Amino acid sequence: GIQVEQSPPDLILQEGANSTLRCNFSDSVNNLQWFHQNPWGQLINLFYIPSGTKQNGRLSATTVATERYSLLYISSSQTTDSGVYFCAVVGMNRDDKIIFGKGTRLHILP
Amino acid sequence: EAQVTQNPRYLITVTGKKLTVTCSQNMNHEYMSWYRQDPGLGLRQIYYSMNVEVTDKGDVPEGYKVSRKEKRNFPLILESPSPNQTSLYFCASTPLGGVDTQYFGPGTRLTVL
Repeated sequence: GIQVEQSPPDLILQEGANSTLRCNFSDSVNNLQWFHQNPWGQLINLFYIPSGTKQNGRLSATTVATERYSLLYISSSQTTDSGVYFCAVVGMNRDDKIIFGKGTRLHILP
Repeated sequence: EAQVTQNPRYLITVTGKKLTVTCSQNMNHEYMSWYRQDPGLGLRQIYYSMNVEVTDKGDVPEGYKVSRKEKRNFPLILESPSPNQTSLYFCASTPLGGVDTQYFGPGTRLTVL
């Protein structure tokens, strides 16, 4: 099955800093999503982005499908951005299931 | 308000005592799924359902059952829970066969003693 690798595994930043989170996947995908799990455990959709670029406020994401990676950018980080960021993909085959990366844990210091 | 609800949110039980975690969505989504989240392993899919009466195994189905008698509900059943099923469980729904944005429930933290 598809392998999903996220980097870095952990990231500690000062409030106001910018960050880039990466998701590499081993095969072509039909679906790619980014999620944020806040410190209370709630999973929140950020982007559905199998290709191209999207922006939502301070967050943006770019997926380069031909090179099998996606990037999540967080600008002007706030403490509420802390938590774990997951990338999840679904392959191109009909029977492919959704596969999550292990996540990047982001800690924004006040 | 569009949402996915799960109940209970927290449960402590003992080995072998059957339990059901309910999941309901009000968005008329066809696709629903269950995940478990464990430290160091991320989220892994247990079961999914493409529509009413259509269910299939995910990556870690052993020890679990599901049913999809109505479009809005997708309960997760543990017939004989064991301590290795202690985990954080999430239900999710998606409008189009899984190939779209997923909406997650709030999670159910299960402890099996």
